[in-house]
Amino acid sequence: KAGVTQTPRYLIKTRGQQVTLSCSPISGHRSVSWYQQTPGQGLQFLFEYFSETQRNKGNFPGRFSGRQFSNSRSEMNVSTLELGDSALYLCASSGGTGPADEQFFGPGTRLTVL
Amino acid sequence: AQSVTQLDSQVPVFEEAPVELRCNYSSSVSVYLFWYVQYPNQGLQLLLKYLSGSTLVKGINGFEAEFNKSQTSFHLRKPSVHISDTAEYFCAVSDNSGYSTLTFGKGTMLLVSP
Repeated sequence: KAGVTQTPRYLIKTRGQQVTLSCSPISGHRSVSWYQQTPGQGLQFLFEYFSETQRNKGNFPGRFSGRQFSNSRSEMNVSTLELGDSALYLCASSGGTGPADEQFFGPGTRLTVL
Repeated sequence: AQSVTQLDSQVPVFEEAPVELRCNYSSSVSVYLFWYVQYPNQGLQLLLKYLSGSTLVKGINGFEAEFNKSQTSFHLRKPSVHISDTAEYFCAVSDNSGYSTLTFGKGTMLLVSP
């Protein structure tokens, strides 16, 4: 079974631009979560989607948004990029939506904002 | 709301020596506990999880952890480490709010030298 895939793996943008990251979950998984990883703040939850609906959202500004498609693939978008948005963005998929369900992580997209 | 504290940011150890990585959590509700490992340029991989039952949990790669409710701890141990165990280790919790959202500690870098 293929794992979680994220594209692109690396991205360089400049301040003020916008970016879209993509995540394909494990086949059959309908829950997708996104996390931001930075050296200073560590791993922080962005949002979770299930069946095309956002179930939960972390404490991030409105510049961060996401969506999920009918095939469970998910995208997240960051508008008006700031230097502080440089991070590794991790996507995780799960076969369920409960707190005990294992989340399977992709390799991440490394975003650098110049 | 819950929080996770990993007391050591870095743990240096010699190959074949035992190691313990410490994790304490704070939560007003019941939690589920996880340990993930992250190798360079990769996503997170689940090592083990505590959901209920026996407080000693065995995971992959020879790791185990013990849940201590009175001390709100979930320390990770391995009796004999290998060079290949060099990686960053994250302790995480989810609660019974109905969401699968993970709250992570800041991570502990395990450095195994020959």
